[in-house]
Amino acid sequence: GAVVSQHPSRVICKSGTSVKIECRSLDFQATTMFWYRQFPKQSLMLMATSNEGSKATYEQGVEKDKFLINHASLTLSTLTVTSAHPEDSSFYICSARKGLVLNEQFFGPGTRLTVL
Amino acid sequence: AQKVTQAQTEISVVEKEDVTLDCVYETRDTTYYLFWYKQPPSGELVFLIRRNSFDEQNEISGRYSWNFQKSTSSFNFTITASQVVDSAVYFCALSEAQNNDMRFGAGTRLTVKP
Repeated sequence: GAVVSQHPSRVICKSGTSVKIECRSLDFQATTMFWYRQFPKQSLMLMATSNEGSKATYEQGVEKDKFLINHASLTLSTLTVTSAHPEDSSFYICSARKGLVLNEQFFGPGTRLTVL
Repeated sequence: AQKVTQAQTEISVVEKEDVTLDCVYETRDTTYYLFWYKQPPSGELVFLIRRNSFDEQNEISGRYSWNFQKSTSSFNFTITASQVVDSAVYFCALSEAQNNDMRFGAGTRLTVKP
């Protein structure tokens, strides 16, 4: 199997606080993980690519100081939204790449962040 | 850079009707992968199919079928005899072999009415 989990599934926080979202590959090792953001009724937009043991690569327009990504092990990547504001409210989805063939990614169930 | 276009924003059909969701893509890579995902209201993406650029065979899986045509850069998805449970947002996506990332189309919201 290839299962990816995310924690928490939902989080509500006050403006100005930081929120950490975890993404875990439960039954495989993932050298590469991806973070996507999805605003209501919109598509998934890639935020960053995270490689184990190295700095994440951010897409244009994504603030790396605001969205801190750490991929400390082959099964865990974390996304920290620092000093969150209401406009950061979104659905955050991670995925993990399994193997080098087929460009196969397995998606987590998503985390719904609401910033008050 | 790769690009995926799903021109149909919303489609509404009555149960048992057939429905086709269109997907057109752009890429300069000769090796690439196309995907379809279903996103129900819960938000979790459900993988439906992956097709690589060298395999133009159409595929059928139960009520689902896919038509891949490189000549028109299209990868259309048909649901036969639609059911209410098919109501969801469907995304087409493209991943090039040269890079890891996946680009999604805007999605098509399908509503199947009883």
